[in-house]
Amino acid sequence: QVQLQESGPGLVKPSETLSLTCTVSGGSIIGDYWSWIRQPPGKGLEWIGYIYSSGNTNYNSSLKSRVTMSVDTSKNQFSLKLSSVTAADTAVYYCARGGSSTWFYWGQGILVTVSS
Amino acid sequence: QSALTQPPSASGSPGQLVTISCTGTSSDVGGYNYVSWYQQHPGKAPKLMIYEVNKRPSGVPDRFSGSKSGNTASLTVSGLQAEDEADYYCSSYAGSNNGVFGGGTKLTVL
Repeated sequence: QVQLQESGPGLVKPSETLSLTCTVSGGSIIGDYWSWIRQPPGKGLEWIGYIYSSGNTNYNSSLKSRVTMSVDTSKNQFSLKLSSVTAADTAVYYCARGGSSTWFYWGQGILVTVSS
Repeated sequence: QSALTQPPSASGSPGQLVTISCTGTSSDVGGYNYVSWYQQHPGKAPKLMIYEVNKRPSGVPDRFSGSKSGNTASLTVSGLQAEDEADYYCSSYAGSNNGVFGGGTKLTVL
Protein backbone atom coordinates (compact mmCIF):
# COMPACT_ATOMS: atom_id res chain seq x y z
CA GLN A 1 0.00 0.00 0.00
CA VAL A 2 1.44 3.33 -1.08
CA GLN A 3 1.76 5.89 1.69
CA LEU A 4 2.55 9.59 1.38
CA GLN A 5 3.77 11.98 4.07
CA GLU A 6 4.07 15.74 3.76
CA SER A 7 6.74 17.64 5.67
CA GLY A 8 7.88 21.23 5.96
CA PRO A 9 7.41 24.43 7.96
CA GLY A 10 3.96 25.06 9.36
CA LEU A 11 4.46 28.83 9.40
CA VAL A 12 5.70 31.00 6.54
CA LYS A 13 6.03 34.79 6.49
CA PRO A 14 4.23 36.87 3.86
CA SER A 15 6.22 37.39 0.63
CA GLU A 16 8.46 34.40 1.41
CA THR A 17 8.53 30.99 -0.26
CA LEU A 18 6.56 28.01 1.01
CA SER A 19 8.52 24.75 0.65
CA LEU A 20 7.07 21.29 1.22
CA THR A 21 8.30 17.77 0.58
CA CYS A 22 6.29 14.59 0.12
CA THR A 23 7.93 11.27 0.94
CA VAL A 24 6.49 8.19 -0.75
CA SER A 25 6.74 4.77 0.87
CA GLY A 26 5.40 1.34 -0.06
CA GLY A 27 6.11 1.85 -3.73
CA SER A 28 8.39 3.57 -6.21
CA ILE A 29 7.88 7.14 -7.33
CA ILE A 30 9.19 6.16 -10.76
CA GLY A 31 6.70 5.84 -13.59
CA ASP A 32 3.88 7.74 -11.99
CA TYR A 33 2.34 11.18 -11.60
CA TRP A 34 2.38 13.04 -8.28
CA SER A 35 0.26 16.03 -7.36
CA TRP A 36 -0.11 18.79 -4.80
CA ILE A 37 -3.62 19.82 -3.75
CA ARG A 38 -4.54 22.39 -1.14
CA GLN A 39 -7.56 23.26 0.98
CA PRO A 40 -7.95 26.63 2.73
CA PRO A 41 -9.56 26.33 6.18
CA GLY A 42 -13.28 25.68 5.82
CA LYS A 43 -13.11 25.76 2.03
CA GLY A 44 -12.87 23.38 -0.93
CA LEU A 45 -10.05 21.60 -2.67
CA GLU A 46 -7.77 23.23 -5.24
CA TRP A 47 -5.45 21.31 -7.54
CA ILE A 48 -2.03 23.00 -7.61
CA GLY A 49 -0.31 20.84 -10.20
CA TYR A 50 1.57 17.64 -10.84
CA ILE A 51 5.02 16.32 -11.59
CA TYR A 52 5.89 13.11 -13.41
CA SER A 53 8.78 11.03 -12.16
CA SER A 54 10.83 12.15 -15.17
CA GLY A 55 10.46 15.75 -14.00
CA ASN A 56 7.77 16.90 -16.43
CA THR A 57 5.34 19.26 -14.75
CA ASN A 58 1.96 20.91 -15.24
CA TYR A 59 0.58 23.62 -13.00
CA ASN A 60 -2.79 25.21 -12.35
CA SER A 61 -2.84 28.34 -14.49
CA SER A 62 -3.98 30.45 -11.52
CA LEU A 63 -0.77 29.60 -9.60
CA LYS A 64 1.62 28.88 -12.44
CA SER A 65 3.74 32.01 -12.01
CA ARG A 66 4.54 31.14 -8.38
CA VAL A 67 4.78 27.32 -8.39
CA THR A 68 7.78 25.08 -8.87
CA MET A 69 7.73 21.32 -8.39
CA SER A 70 10.69 18.99 -8.37
CA VAL A 71 11.33 15.28 -7.85
CA ASP A 72 14.15 13.28 -6.27
CA THR A 73 13.78 9.66 -7.35
CA SER A 74 16.78 8.57 -5.25
CA LYS A 75 14.91 9.61 -2.11
CA ASN A 76 11.42 8.71 -3.40
CA GLN A 77 10.37 12.30 -2.76
CA PHE A 78 8.81 15.18 -4.62
CA SER A 79 8.58 18.80 -3.57
CA LEU A 80 6.56 21.99 -3.90
CA LYS A 81 7.73 25.58 -3.79
CA LEU A 82 5.22 28.43 -3.79
CA SER A 83 6.74 31.89 -3.90
CA SER A 84 5.52 35.30 -2.77
CA VAL A 85 2.94 33.84 -0.41
CA THR A 86 0.11 35.83 1.15
CA ALA A 87 -2.53 35.02 3.74
CA ALA A 88 -4.64 33.60 0.91
CA ASP A 89 -2.13 30.76 0.62
CA THR A 90 -2.90 29.57 4.15
CA ALA A 91 -4.22 26.04 3.69
CA VAL A 92 -3.82 22.36 4.35
CA TYR A 93 -1.50 21.10 1.63
CA TYR A 94 -1.90 17.51 0.46
CA CYS A 95 0.36 15.45 -1.72
CA ALA A 96 -1.31 12.70 -3.73
CA ARG A 97 -0.60 10.07 -6.35
CA GLY A 98 -2.14 11.04 -9.63
CA GLY A 99 -1.96 13.68 -12.32
CA SER A 100 -4.89 15.84 -13.30
CA SER A 101 -7.94 13.68 -12.81
CA THR A 102 -7.83 10.83 -10.32
CA TRP A 103 -5.91 10.78 -7.04
CA PHE A 104 -5.89 7.31 -5.51
CA TYR A 105 -3.62 7.89 -2.53
CA TRP A 106 -3.31 10.99 -0.38
CA GLY A 107 -1.03 12.15 2.39
CA GLN A 108 -2.55 13.18 5.70
CA GLY A 109 -2.01 16.85 4.88
CA ILE A 110 0.01 19.61 6.48
CA LEU A 111 -1.35 22.96 7.61
CA VAL A 112 0.71 25.88 6.41
CA THR A 113 -0.12 29.27 7.87
CA VAL A 114 1.11 32.47 6.26
CA SER A 115 1.59 35.09 8.93
CA SER A 116 4.21 37.49 10.20
CA GLN B 1 -10.44 26.63 -15.27
CA SER B 2 -13.56 27.41 -13.17
CA ALA B 3 -14.63 25.21 -10.28
CA LEU B 4 -17.35 22.66 -10.91
CA THR B 5 -20.74 23.42 -9.35
CA GLN B 6 -22.06 21.30 -6.49
CA PRO B 7 -24.97 21.95 -4.12
CA PRO B 8 -23.62 23.13 -0.74
CA SER B 9 -25.64 20.59 1.16
CA ALA B 10 -27.63 17.38 0.87
CA SER B 11 -29.34 15.21 3.42
CA GLY B 12 -31.23 11.98 3.94
CA SER B 13 -32.39 9.59 6.61
CA PRO B 14 -30.67 6.27 7.29
CA GLY B 15 -31.52 3.74 4.62
CA GLN B 16 -32.55 6.36 2.09
CA LEU B 17 -30.99 7.20 -1.26
CA VAL B 18 -29.24 10.54 -1.84
CA THR B 19 -27.84 11.97 -5.07
CA ILE B 20 -25.26 14.75 -5.30
CA SER B 21 -24.77 16.59 -8.58
CA CYS B 22 -21.64 18.09 -10.11
CA THR B 23 -22.12 20.44 -13.04
CA GLY B 24 -19.38 21.55 -15.37
CA THR B 25 -19.06 22.32 -19.05
CA SER B 26 -18.25 20.54 -22.27
CA SER B 27 -14.59 21.42 -21.57
CA ASP B 28 -14.44 19.29 -18.46
CA VAL B 29 -17.24 17.02 -17.18
CA GLY B 30 -19.01 16.78 -20.52
CA GLY B 31 -15.88 16.32 -22.55
CA TYR B 32 -14.17 13.46 -20.77
CA ASN B 33 -15.03 10.35 -18.78
CA TYR B 34 -12.60 11.33 -16.04
CA VAL B 35 -14.92 12.37 -13.23
CA SER B 36 -13.98 11.33 -9.69
CA TRP B 37 -15.67 11.67 -6.32
CA TYR B 38 -13.98 12.06 -2.93
CA GLN B 39 -15.31 11.66 0.60
CA GLN B 40 -13.77 13.79 3.33
CA HIS B 41 -14.49 13.45 7.02
CA PRO B 42 -13.59 16.38 9.33
CA GLY B 43 -9.86 16.68 9.84
CA LYS B 44 -9.09 13.85 7.45
CA ALA B 45 -7.66 13.59 3.96
CA PRO B 46 -10.05 13.03 1.06
CA LYS B 47 -10.73 9.43 0.08
CA LEU B 48 -11.38 8.33 -3.49
CA MET B 49 -14.87 6.83 -3.80
CA ILE B 50 -15.55 6.84 -7.56
CA TYR B 51 -13.25 7.33 -10.56
CA GLU B 52 -13.74 7.47 -14.32
CA VAL B 53 -17.41 8.36 -13.75
CA ASN B 54 -18.62 5.05 -12.35
CA LYS B 55 -15.74 2.84 -11.20
CA ARG B 56 -15.27 1.97 -7.54
CA PRO B 57 -11.83 1.41 -6.01
CA SER B 58 -11.39 -1.79 -4.05
CA GLY B 59 -12.95 -1.51 -0.61
CA VAL B 60 -15.56 1.13 -1.43
CA PRO B 61 -19.07 -0.20 -0.70
CA ASP B 62 -21.31 -0.76 -3.70
CA ARG B 63 -23.80 1.59 -2.06
CA PHE B 64 -21.79 4.30 -3.77
CA SER B 65 -22.30 4.72 -7.51
CA GLY B 66 -21.54 7.33 -10.13
CA SER B 67 -23.04 8.42 -13.41
CA LYS B 68 -22.87 11.22 -15.95
CA SER B 69 -25.26 12.87 -18.35
CA GLY B 70 -24.03 15.67 -20.55
CA ASN B 71 -22.17 18.24 -18.46
CA THR B 72 -23.48 16.92 -15.13
CA ALA B 73 -22.08 14.05 -13.10
CA SER B 74 -23.81 12.50 -10.11
CA LEU B 75 -22.85 10.54 -7.03
CA THR B 76 -25.58 8.34 -5.58
CA VAL B 77 -25.42 6.89 -2.09
CA SER B 78 -28.05 4.24 -1.44
CA GLY B 79 -28.89 2.69 1.91
CA LEU B 80 -27.54 5.78 3.67
CA GLN B 81 -25.57 5.08 6.83
CA ALA B 82 -24.43 7.33 9.66
CA GLU B 83 -20.78 7.00 8.62
CA ASP B 84 -21.61 8.42 5.19
CA GLU B 85 -22.00 11.85 6.77
CA ALA B 86 -19.09 13.82 5.30
CA ASP B 87 -18.12 16.36 2.68
CA TYR B 88 -18.08 15.11 -0.91
CA TYR B 89 -16.06 16.63 -3.73
CA CYS B 90 -16.19 15.90 -7.43
CA SER B 91 -13.28 16.44 -9.77
CA SER B 92 -12.83 16.28 -13.51
CA TYR B 93 -10.13 16.34 -16.10
CA ALA B 94 -10.36 19.75 -17.74
CA GLY B 95 -8.18 19.36 -20.81
CA SER B 96 -4.58 20.45 -21.40
CA ASN B 97 -3.48 18.22 -18.51
CA ASN B 98 -5.43 20.29 -15.99
CA GLY B 99 -7.71 19.17 -13.19
CA VAL B 100 -10.59 20.96 -11.46
CA PHE B 101 -12.63 20.30 -8.30
CA GLY B 102 -16.16 21.08 -7.35
CA GLY B 103 -16.90 23.32 -4.39
CA GLY B 104 -17.99 20.42 -2.21
CA THR B 105 -21.27 19.15 -0.75
CA LYS B 106 -21.89 18.55 2.93
CA LEU B 107 -23.95 15.36 3.30
CA THR B 108 -25.97 15.14 6.52
CA VAL B 109 -27.54 11.91 7.72
CA LEU B 110 -30.68 12.91 9.60
